[in-house]
Amino acid sequence: ETGVTQSPTHLIKTRGQQVTLRCSSQSGHNTVSWYQQALGQGPQFIFQYYREEENGRGNFPPRFSGLQFPNYSSELNVNAMELDDSALYLCASSLVSGLPTDTQYFGPGTRLTVL
Amino acid sequence: AQTVTQSQPEMSVQEAETVTLSCTYDTSENNYYLFWYKQPPSRQMILVIRQEAYKQQNATENRFSVNFQKAAKSFSLKISDSQLGDTAMYFCAFILIQGAQKLVFGQGTRLTINP
Repeated sequence: ETGVTQSPTHLIKTRGQQVTLRCSSQSGHNTVSWYQQALGQGPQFIFQYYREEENGRGNFPPRFSGLQFPNYSSELNVNAMELDDSALYLCASSLVSGLPTDTQYFGPGTRLTVL
Repeated sequence: AQTVTQSQPEMSVQEAETVTLSCTYDTSENNYYLFWYKQPPSRQMILVIRQEAYKQQNATENRFSVNFQKAAKSFSLKISDSQLGDTAMYFCAFILIQGAQKLVFGQGTRLTINP
């Protein structure tokens, strides 16, 4: 296992609702990235947080937002959910230490279903 | 645009055989890392092998090795002496050294090892 945990494991929501997904990074990792993996597809980058600030964003609307906390935990918030938001949401943590491109370690994911 | 293409949606081999998964990518940048990740059914995505683009020598990790052809932007994964536990989705991905550490994934190849 990678030492990265996510909660909840599964979640069912209704279109228009809001949801918060949680991730606990490996101890000491200062960077967390969130990905959306639709069924049968590869993961798509949502955004990344480095030392509690957003450090890059993919092609996702502003209703996808996040937070990173000093205790190695982070959140992904999705507002006004749409049916197409149904997917597996993955977080990945890494230690960015000034060296080129450290390995990202993935959590097991949260399976979100929007009805 | 930065893209990764995995042209084999599914592959199936017998246990102990050797199998090669294909991957091509496109980027105008020169400095990047390449990865193969494995996602077993209902389990976490884990790193299989990684290759630095500036290194000519192909990476190896026990039964896993890559054939990296930078000019052709090709990055295939060879699994020798395949085992039942190798059954999984395999994703090829790359990450640029500059900027946010955003992994760009392919669509994946579903590999089944048959007894």
